[in-house]
Amino acid sequence: QKEVEQNSGPLSVPEGAIASLNCTYSDRGSQSFFWYRQYSGKSPELIMFIYSNGDKEDGRFTAQLNKASQYVSLLIRDSQPSDSATYLCAARPGANNLFFGTGTRLTVIP
Amino acid sequence: DVKVTQSSRYLVKRTGEKVFLECVQDMDHENMFWYRQDPGLGLRLIYFSYDVKMKEKGDIPEGYSVSREKKERFSLILESASTNQTSMYLCASSLNTGGYTDTQYFGPGTRLTVL
Repeated sequence: QKEVEQNSGPLSVPEGAIASLNCTYSDRGSQSFFWYRQYSGKSPELIMFIYSNGDKEDGRFTAQLNKASQYVSLLIRDSQPSDSATYLCAARPGANNLFFGTGTRLTVIP
Repeated sequence: DVKVTQSSRYLVKRTGEKVFLECVQDMDHENMFWYRQDPGLGLRLIYFSYDVKMKEKGDIPEGYSVSREKKERFSLILESASTNQTSMYLCASSLNTGGYTDTQYFGPGTRLTVL
């Protein structure tokens, strides 16, 4: 079973703080990883992907990948109330499919 | 911008009805996917297609079928709708370059209620 595990939350952080979202995966063959944001009642939208060990930054977002530990994380700096959403982690073990975690609900408190 | 559209945002059907959900993408993507999303269960893959007339079963294909007659269009069919198929249905599409970063882009979703 190709599993992706996320803490369902809710994770609450004050406005301006760093939000840290974590994800582990079971399939060592997974090559790339994706973070999606999903607002309530809406469809997932891509934030960023990562496939090399280390950090990848895009604006206020930083994705971190540690393949040895099978661990992916997403940091959101200077969190804003508009960041309040569910964040989905997905792993790509094969050519086409993604396996999604159940998501972490983030609430940013003004 | 990638655009994936779905035929309905909300749909209410009766048990036993045949239901068609349509998805269209305008970016010439080879891959198309159908997921359902339920609270606590996350996104689960029903079927995907990597080419016209080609289809592969996902994790939960039972009770569903699909059709892909044109590259831009992927249909999900519930042959005889049941109440346990009440869910949010999401269509997605992606390129198929074989690279690590082929990204799936989602449509707005169809919330189906089966009474």
